[in-house]
Amino acid sequence: EEQLVESGGGLVQPGGSLRLSCAAPGFTFSRHWMHWVRQAPGKGLVWVSRITGDGSETVYADAVKGRFTTSRNNAKNTLYLQMNSLRAEDTAVYYCTRDSRYGGDPTFDLWGQGTLVTVSS
Amino acid sequence: ETVLTQSPGTLSLSPGDRATVSCRASQSVSSSDLAWYQQKPGQAPRLLIYGASNRAAGIPDRFSGSGSGTDFTLTISRLESEDFAVYYCQQYGSSPFFGQGTKLEIK
Repeated sequence: EEQLVESGGGLVQPGGSLRLSCAAPGFTFSRHWMHWVRQAPGKGLVWVSRITGDGSETVYADAVKGRFTTSRNNAKNTLYLQMNSLRAEDTAVYYCTRDSRYGGDPTFDLWGQGTLVTVSS
Repeated sequence: ETVLTQSPGTLSLSPGDRATVSCRASQSVSSSDLAWYQQKPGQAPRLLIYGASNRAAGIPDRFSGSGSGTDFTLTISRLESEDFAVYYCQQYGSSPFFGQGTKLEIK
């Protein structure tokens, strides 16, 4: 079964670091670009970052640029989000999502269940 | 950056009604890059519509998408109880962006 399973969330103090993981069993992971999307409590969806299938290129939202790093290990079918210099406004559920093309149209067609990151002292 | 504005913010309807959600872009968006997602409380988003008008696998035909340029619409022809949720439009682009969401609630 195709699925995405996030882990690594938790409570961290402002200025701290956390690394999220997203395991991706059931499909050919290396063929897909992957994204991170976050959702603050009671708020909407916000795109965070993306990475190409081979991991050679990454793009970040301005709000996290220079603090967050997305990487992947295709041998382990796993996506990562290294979050440094965390701020209270980074508090959110973080989702990993798969980028698939249908007839050339891009979609986020598979989502993980999300992992909650809380930044608080 | 292309900003997407959804309206209304909240839609109060009854089962069997027709629902229409609007998504307006701050600049023209390729129809290929426009998608709609449904999110229920405590769940991850689910892809409904891609390429502005194509239903994703397993999505009932009461869901339809339309539009082009800067104006896009999600229509649910006859609401069923499981359709009450929050709906987001999204443009892919160089930096994917989501609309702020429309909450569809039971009247």
